[in-house]
Amino acid sequence: QKEVEQNSGPLSVPEGAIASLNCTYSDRGSQSFFWYRQYSGKSPELIMFIYSNGDKEDGRFTAQLNKASQYVSLLIRDSQPSDSATYLCAVKDGNTGKLIFGQGTTLQVKP
Amino acid sequence: GAVVSQHPSWVICKSGTSVKIECRSLDFQATTMFWYRQFPKKSLMLMATSNEGSKATYEQGVEKDKFLINHASLTLSTLTVTSAHPEDSSFYICSARDWGEQFFGPGTRLTVL
Repeated sequence: QKEVEQNSGPLSVPEGAIASLNCTYSDRGSQSFFWYRQYSGKSPELIMFIYSNGDKEDGRFTAQLNKASQYVSLLIRDSQPSDSATYLCAVKDGNTGKLIFGQGTTLQVKP
Repeated sequence: GAVVSQHPSWVICKSGTSVKIECRSLDFQATTMFWYRQFPKKSLMLMATSNEGSKATYEQGVEKDKFLINHASLTLSTLTVTSAHPEDSSFYICSARDWGEQFFGPGTRLTVL
């Protein structure tokens, strides 16, 4: 069974620090990777996607992908209390096209 | 990003009644939409994949006669929870794919009394 693994946390960082969120996946055939942010009681919001090995930066967010290690991460620079949320890693199944979600990592940014 | 809407945002109903939830892609056409359910502090569970003009594909363990899905147009999919019971109370979220990325609606919180 194809799996996506995340540490559920909570991950607690002080305001202004870098938050590092990690995700591993089992399907070597996966080509598309996504990070969603979900605030409590709300639906997920797409914040980053990455398809190629290496880094992809968008504002304070950087996604990192290492297909050889089957590892994808999300870095949040200058973390703000408003970044406090659950971050879901999702991997697109190479055969079905469906997204496989991790359990999510809860991030707490303390002022 | 693309915008997906859902209606209603919340609904309370009596046990045994049916509830319909609408999902619309507002600024793009979606040949494929997805329906998820999420229980408190749990991750998303895919219920079914909805394809425009054809029957939905349900995930294992999801009762297709209980959760009726209709994808009548490229911008609208509906989920009907038939004969709802308290255990069906959950957060139902639809999602639509725009090119390679998948965007979620705001969700519908269903409470069955």
